[in-house]
Amino acid sequence: DAKTTQPPSMDCAEGRAANLPCNHSTISGNEYVYWYRQIHSQGPQYIIHGLKNNETNEMASLIITEDRKSSTLILPHATLRDTAVYYCIVRADSNYQLIWGAGTKLIIKP
Amino acid sequence: GAGVSQSPRYKVTKRGQDVALRCDPISGHVSLYWYRQALGQGPEFLTYFNYEAQQDKSGLPNDRFSAERPEGSISTLTIQRTEQRDSAMYRCASSDQTGAIEKLFFGSGTQLSVL
Repeated sequence: DAKTTQPPSMDCAEGRAANLPCNHSTISGNEYVYWYRQIHSQGPQYIIHGLKNNETNEMASLIITEDRKSSTLILPHATLRDTAVYYCIVRADSNYQLIWGAGTKLIIKP
Repeated sequence: GAGVSQSPRYKVTKRGQDVALRCDPISGHVSLYWYRQALGQGPEFLTYFNYEAQQDKSGLPNDRFSAERPEGSISTLTIQRTEQRDSAMYRCASSDQTGAIEKLFFGSGTQLSVL
């Protein structure tokens, strides 16, 4: 699986949109982009995933560039409860070993 | 159950002892993963089951680590002759799908401390 690069930390004001970038320049055509988050010491929580097209669900939006070398997770109206470590992962069908980096620690400030 | 259940929540053991960590996945989930997570780092893959078949155990650090899922449901991760470096959070995850489209549901983990 391709590796991902994320900034180690970010701040965002409560109520504003939080935009979390992820670089995956070596992504292959059959690899999906996944986002998970981990709040404090809880288990990671699935947020969203996509292959080529932009995706939106009740939690977030995922914007994938046309060349698929980077993506952005958007939390449209961040709340204090969105403070967490956010992980961007790429994964192909044939590989079970998701490679989790250190993620981005997102701090939402009041 | 409503979610992935792991037990015990905390395990403190002495170096050299064997430990068994249990994972009860969401009912009907096909895939089951074991991960290990050190403080401040992302989860590290250990092993993967598809039903009762252990499809990938390449992440197990050495032969002191083993896992089983005999009936395709509950899984046990066993660490023999524990060492201090085994201390970590051990997490289990399950999914009702397989392959690149699967969404993983994680348990709360077992915090293992080897003294």
